[in-house]
Amino acid sequence: DIQMTQSPSSLSASVGDRVTITCQASQDVGESLNWYQQKPGKAPKILIFDASNLETGVPLRFSGSGSGTDFTLTINSLQPEDFATYYCQQYENLFTFGPGTRVEVK
Amino acid sequence: QVTLKQSGPVLVKPTETLTLTCTVSGFSFTASRMGVSWIRQPPGKALEWLAHVFSSDERLYNASLKTRLTISRDTSRSQVVLTMTNMGSLDTATYFCARMADHTPHVFDYWGQGALVTVSS
Repeated sequence: DIQMTQSPSSLSASVGDRVTITCQASQDVGESLNWYQQKPGKAPKILIFDASNLETGVPLRFSGSGSGTDFTLTINSLQPEDFATYYCQQYENLFTFGPGTRVEVK
Repeated sequence: QVTLKQSGPVLVKPTETLTLTCTVSGFSFTASRMGVSWIRQPPGKALEWLAHVFSSDERLYNASLKTRLTISRDTSRSQVVLTMTNMGSLDTATYFCARMADHTPHVFDYWGQGALVTVSS
């Protein structure tokens, strides 16, 4: 099974900050990696697919990069609506979500 | 308009079998080449993928839960059903169904409303 790790598990940031979240896969997943945002009580929302492609309608301040085992989600100029939990998810072999990164208000 | 509507019990007893139904609308499993997964989230914890059925009816399962899970599809009713046997307290979670295309991009793009299932006697 492919295991996913994320760091940090949580972070505190202010509006306008640049935020970087990393995701690591236990084996090569190529670019078969998605990023989701989840707010309390809601279903996750797709942000980035295939490691670096922005889903339609997602603000340009979100970006993704990486391939193989190491991936990064960056949020440029954090906005109030971005405080949420972020999950990476691989689909190279079955499906696995990362443990999540909670972005909190500093 | 694509929607996934979940139904099922909110409370099950230990050792019982859970049956959840996801009724979809706005797309066809086969014509649109769409699959559906079940995903759960224990309170305050991370998402865990459980099972997936492709448009071809091929099925995949989480290896650690495979012996307890069955996913099935009824195309005529536009439904995907998940059964999980021998429920225990650790299975208390919000359960989601979610759509993923067989073709790229492979993303869970539409989700059900989620349903908290509590396991308690």
